[in-house]
Amino acid sequence: QVQLQESGPGLVKPSQTLSLTCTVSGGSISSGFHYWSWIRQPAGKGLEWIGRIYGSGNTNYNPSFESRVDISADTSKNQFTLKLSSVTAADTALYYCASGSFDSSGYFHFDYWGQGTLVTVSS
Amino acid sequence: DIQMTQSPSSLSASVGDRVTVTCRASQSISTYLNWYQQKVGKAPKLLIYGAKNLKNGVPSRFSGSGSGTEFTLTISSLQPEDFATYYCQQSYSNPMYTFGQGTKLEI
Repeated sequence: QVQLQESGPGLVKPSQTLSLTCTVSGGSISSGFHYWSWIRQPAGKGLEWIGRIYGSGNTNYNPSFESRVDISADTSKNQFTLKLSSVTAADTALYYCASGSFDSSGYFHFDYWGQGTLVTVSS
Repeated sequence: DIQMTQSPSSLSASVGDRVTVTCRASQSISTYLNWYQQKVGKAPKLLIYGAKNLKNGVPSRFSGSGSGTEFTLTISSLQPEDFATYYCQQSYSNPMYTFGQGTKLEI
């Protein structure tokens, strides 16, 4: 069973870069079967997909974040990292890392999630 | 982007009730629709994928239906552990996945 654990600063100053790491166990981030995503949830609001990394470092991003997001992977540590630059208070949210996959019918779904980490953007 | 709209936003029900949550897509998404359950302070859990396929281990009182732009999640007989927030998510527009705003199911 895949397990994910987010880590990183809980407080980031406006205009700085938010950086979070997700450590994966029970699966290889370079397997090509799993797609490793970041998803966020502002307090009391819904879920927003930020982007993902898969295979040999391929990435896809939500256009809403594309100009300031970067997702990378460290296969030696089985980790992937989110960097979100030029943050504002609107980026305050609970950030989840999640693993998704396609099933035999071609349906994609998020199968495993980390417990989430709260990031507050404030001076 | 494909917009997902859930209704109602919140719902009060009792143990044993039959409950239905609706999710509408802004364009046809065939059956590329998933449902998740999120309890307070916890990460979401996948319940149903492909509109109607129950994930292994999910109780059979949960069911999903629909295609195109309108989908429903039904809980046939509410149990105390079912009180949570439910989200739909489309995977038609790969990889630009979008979620509904959630339906909070309350006692």
